[in-house]
Amino acid sequence: AQSVTQLDSQVPVFEEAPVELRCNYSSSVSVYLFWYVQYPNQGLQLLLKYLSGSTLVKGINGFEAEFNKSQTSFHLRKPSVHISDTAEYFCAVSDDGGSQGNLIFGKGTKLSVKP
Amino acid sequence: DSGVTQTPKHLITATGQRVTLRCSPRSGDLSVYWYQQSLDQGLQFLIQYYNGEERAKGNILERFSAQQFPDLHSELNLSSLELGDSALYFCASSVLGLPTLENNNEQFFGPGTRLTVL
Repeated sequence: AQSVTQLDSQVPVFEEAPVELRCNYSSSVSVYLFWYVQYPNQGLQLLLKYLSGSTLVKGINGFEAEFNKSQTSFHLRKPSVHISDTAEYFCAVSDDGGSQGNLIFGKGTKLSVKP
Repeated sequence: DSGVTQTPKHLITATGQRVTLRCSPRSGDLSVYWYQQSLDQGLQFLIQYYNGEERAKGNILERFSAQQFPDLHSELNLSSLELGDSALYFCASSVLGLPTLENNNEQFFGPGTRLTVL
């Protein structure tokens, strides 16, 4: 069975500092990986996804993630965060591209950006 | 704005009651997904419909049911409500319900319905 572990439940950082949100997955088959962001009182928005090809994936709002098959990781990074990046971030895995609802989510990481 | 609408935004009800949550997918999307987000369980997939037919089932309780209508809107029915059913319920939609790498089958999420069971 697939599972996703987000190692940090909360990550506080100062504005303009770099940030890395960690995600590890377990699966016995090829997987597709996603990062979603949830701003306060809003639904989820897709930040980026890895389906195949280059292991470095660039997303919206300056975020990027690297798929590492040997370490079963898909960490999210941003070189310089803004106050507006304060939100909860969810890593998700699927074995069918998410097209059949099989998105398995991690517990989420709350990113808090301080001035 | 994702283009997915959900009503109502908030719902407060009592244990044992039944409620219906409604979702309208983005124009042109055939697939609708329902998710539950709670503090203890996190974000969990409940059920998916594609063009009116049930396509995939996740951790959905027997007290819960859903359907997708000919106009593609969907309803999630929750009955015999318990305190533990209090959660945010999200609907998402996508163009297709078929597994393919060629399609950008991103799921677009609605703003959610917050259900409080007292």
